[in-house]
Amino acid sequence: KNEVEQSPQNLTAQEGEFITINCSYSVGISALHWLQQHPGGGIVSLFMLSSGKKKHGRLIATINIQEKHSSLHITASHPRDSAVYICLTQSGSARQLTFGSGTQLTVLP
Amino acid sequence: EAQVTQNPRYLITVTGKKLTVTCSQNMNHEYMSWYRQDPGLGLRQIYYSMNVEVTDKGDVPEGYKVSRKEKRNFPLILESPSPNQTSLYFCASSRRGAGTGELFFGEGSRLTVL
Repeated sequence: KNEVEQSPQNLTAQEGEFITINCSYSVGISALHWLQQHPGGGIVSLFMLSSGKKKHGRLIATINIQEKHSSLHITASHPRDSAVYICLTQSGSARQLTFGSGTQLTVLP
Repeated sequence: EAQVTQNPRYLITVTGKKLTVTCSQNMNHEYMSWYRQDPGLGLRQIYYSMNVEVTDKGDVPEGYKVSRKEKRNFPLILESPSPNQTSLYFCASSRRGAGTGELFFGEGSRLTVL
């Protein structure tokens, strides 16, 4: 079974700082998703990756298949980025979904 | 607007009283799934469906049933709810399997079983 580890569990940053959240997994996967969960509870998909790098606005996600590692970067962080960020891997079939435990990000003004 | 709609958003019920949480998507997605989120345990998959009349168990299916009679709907049924099913539930859909497209989540349903 795939083991997914996220780090850090909690992160507090000042507005404007560059932020990195990491996700490591133990077995080969077909795709990795980064999700954002706001304090109200709703979950939004930020990225789906199977290789390389994707960018959307101030958010950048990378994945290194050989290293079994993905990172989510936030440039010029803002208080509205405060949320829980969750890594989700899929290996083999739709059944084999494994969620990371999440990273609670707080960006202070 | 593309969306996944769950109802009810909040529900308090009592042990043993059957309930259904509905999930509907308007994107013609083939894949739909249910998750529960609990403090300290994170998100876990309950059931998923790859298409109409095709459903399969996730990691925590005990105490739940699902059906997929139409492409847009994927209800979660608790035949005899128990307090350990108190949780925050999410429905999600994607174009095909979760590895082939963006996942769209409903807003969540907070269920309390007394």
